[in-house]
Amino acid sequence: NAGVTQTPKFRILKIGQSMTLQCTQDMNHNYMYWYRQDPGMGLKLIYYSVGAGITDKGEVPNGYNVSRSTTEDFPLRLELAAPSQTSVYFCASGLRSAEQYFGPGTRLTVT
Amino acid sequence: DAKTTQPNSMESNEEEPVHLPCNHSTISGTDYIHWYRQLPSQGPEYVIHGLTSNVNNRMASLAIAEDRKSSTLILHRATLRDAAVYYCIPSPTGNQFYFGTGTSLTVIP
Repeated sequence: NAGVTQTPKFRILKIGQSMTLQCTQDMNHNYMYWYRQDPGMGLKLIYYSVGAGITDKGEVPNGYNVSRSTTEDFPLRLELAAPSQTSVYFCASGLRSAEQYFGPGTRLTVT
Repeated sequence: DAKTTQPNSMESNEEEPVHLPCNHSTISGTDYIHWYRQLPSQGPEYVIHGLTSNVNNRMASLAIAEDRKSSTLILHRATLRDAAVYYCIPSPTGNQFYFGTGTSLTVIP
């Protein structure tokens, strides 16, 4: 199993641009999550999904959108990128919500 | 969400046991206590979780106080690979994880 894969690994965006961060898991997990981690801080939950077709907001959803059309994929969309969205983004999945498996992260810089 | 207090940093000698404390005095009765760790430049990694009684797995043990207001993660023999930031997260489900700043563990060879 590849586990949780995220693309791209790094990205630089200009203010106002849009992009989609990809997340795929091959473990047939129902639960999937998007977090962001600012330098020196803990992770903050952006959105999560408990199954295909079901998504819900986390602690910091503003400026982001998600969709979950399949069990495997949970893309995160940034519209109108802002410098405040400079962060490392982690995707996670789990068979149970308590035990989450994290991807390697996407480092995003908005300038 | 329950507030947690963890030491900012701790040190341990290699091959010695490590006890990482966490205070969560406002924990609710439905909150499980989850522990995750994050190695440098990696995503977090699940360690262990429990509700009331002590829990063991291949990575660690979790000791939960009788009043559930505190818990301790125990690494039985620290290795260099255990150097990481350890997060204690009280939560009823994983859908409501609030990671704080955790405890940065340094393992001294």
